[in-house]
Amino acid sequence: GAGVSQSPSNKVTEKGKDVELRCDPISGHTALYWYRQSLGQGLEFLIYFQGNSAPDKSGLPSDRFSAERTGGSVSTLTIQRTQQEDSAVYLCASSFRHSTDTQYFGPGTRLTVL
Amino acid sequence: AQRVTQPEKLLSVFKGAPVELKCNYSYSGSPELFWYVQYSRQRLQLLLRHISRESIKGFTADLNKGETSFHLKKPFAQEEDSAMYYCALYGGATNKLIFGTGTLLAVQP
Repeated sequence: GAGVSQSPSNKVTEKGKDVELRCDPISGHTALYWYRQSLGQGLEFLIYFQGNSAPDKSGLPSDRFSAERTGGSVSTLTIQRTQQEDSAVYLCASSFRHSTDTQYFGPGTRLTVL
Repeated sequence: AQRVTQPEKLLSVFKGAPVELKCNYSYSGSPELFWYVQYSRQRLQLLLRHISRESIKGFTADLNKGETSFHLKKPFAQEEDSAMYYCALYGGATNKLIFGTGTLLAVQP
């Protein structure tokens, strides 16, 4: 079956521009997660959705970051006025219902801010 | 505060040698712990969870509440075990996984 997909796979942008990253979770998974993976930083939790609601936005690094999920499916992570420190791999994962259920990860979007 | 510590960024061993990837956690409640693995050019995936008490690909991990540790062990490393390993803690009320910084395991032939 289809796994979690993310697009684009790579994004190069200029400092100050906005970017939008997309995640398509596994069908039927109600929980969706965004993480940021940086060298030496490990996996940094950004935000978690249960259905279309985001009960935990505590990991978003600044108000330039926002995310939404529609129809209990696709999610987009938007970064406004990108900065060089935003360069990282952004990973999306989904699980059946709960964060202790196996999380299935997408391939990631590598963001480079010049 | 809830935290996961993986003290080694890189662990290099020879094929056939025992492997122990260290993970320590801080959590006031009863923890649920996981190991996730990312092989080269593959997605991050679950390796094992402590409540299952299972052995996956020869790896085991025992939760030691006294030492607040969940070290990942394998008696005889194989070259195909080379990968990035992340320890993760379920944060209870926050309903999120807290990941460590990861350990890169390199198994030399």
